[in-house]
Amino acid sequence: SQTIHQWPATLVQPVGSPLSLECTVEGTSNPNLYWYRQAAGRGLQLLFYSVGIGQISSEVPQNLSASRPQDRQFILSSKKLLLSDSGFYLCAWSLPGQANTEAFFGQGTRLTVV
Amino acid sequence: ELKVEQNPLFLSMQEGKNYTIYCNYSTTSDRLYWYRQDPGKSLESLFVLLSNGAVKQEGRLMASLDTKARLSTLHITAAVHDLSATYFCAVVPNFGNEKLTFGTGTRLTIIP
Repeated sequence: SQTIHQWPATLVQPVGSPLSLECTVEGTSNPNLYWYRQAAGRGLQLLFYSVGIGQISSEVPQNLSASRPQDRQFILSSKKLLLSDSGFYLCAWSLPGQANTEAFFGQGTRLTVV
Repeated sequence: ELKVEQNPLFLSMQEGKNYTIYCNYSTTSDRLYWYRQDPGKSLESLFVLLSNGAVKQEGRLMASLDTKARLSTLHITAAVHDLSATYFCAVVPNFGNEKLTFGTGTRLTIIP
C-alpha cells in the first residue's frame, strides 16, 4: 500500500534562517506531488505541484522553492525565512491520470518563524 | 484561474439538526473531492465525486455533484458532536493541469 512521509512534524526557526522540508512517497511510481501551506485558521494555499522529476510548477511568488530530485521525493526550501512563512505545511500525492482516486496528505509540518 | 468557494465559512448547529455546505467552482470539472480536517491535524479524505449527478454517502454525511451548475453539496443529517471539524472541497479542472485547488473551508461546530 502507498504511504507518505513528511518531516519534521514541528519546527521553530529564526527569521533569516534556511528551511528544508522533505516529503517522500512509498508504494507508487510517478505520482503527482503537491506542497500546500495553511495559515492559522485559514484554507489551503497551493504552493507548488509536480508531475515528474525536475518538473515544478510554482503557484505563488515568494521566497520558497521546491525540488523533486527523485521520483518520490519532494523538497520545499527557503534560503531566508520570513515571519510570514509561519504556517502548517502539507505535502500530498495523487495518481496521475487516475481520476477515481483522491490526493492523500502527509501529517504536516508546523513551522513557526520567530 | 480556478476559484473554489464554500459557504458558509462558519457554521454552528445543534445536535440532531440537518444542514448543507455548498461548494461552487469556476471552471469545467468533473473531479471534486471532500476532505475533513480536525484541529491541528492533516486532511482526511471523505468523498470522491467524478460525474454529474454523483452522490456518495457515509454515515450522516452525503455529498453530491452537479457539474452543469459547478456545484457540490455536503449534507449533514442529524448532526452529532463528532462531526465538528473543518470541511474542505477541492477541484481538479478537466483541462490543462493537475492542480488540486481547495475551497475556503467550512468550520463546523456541533453544539450539544
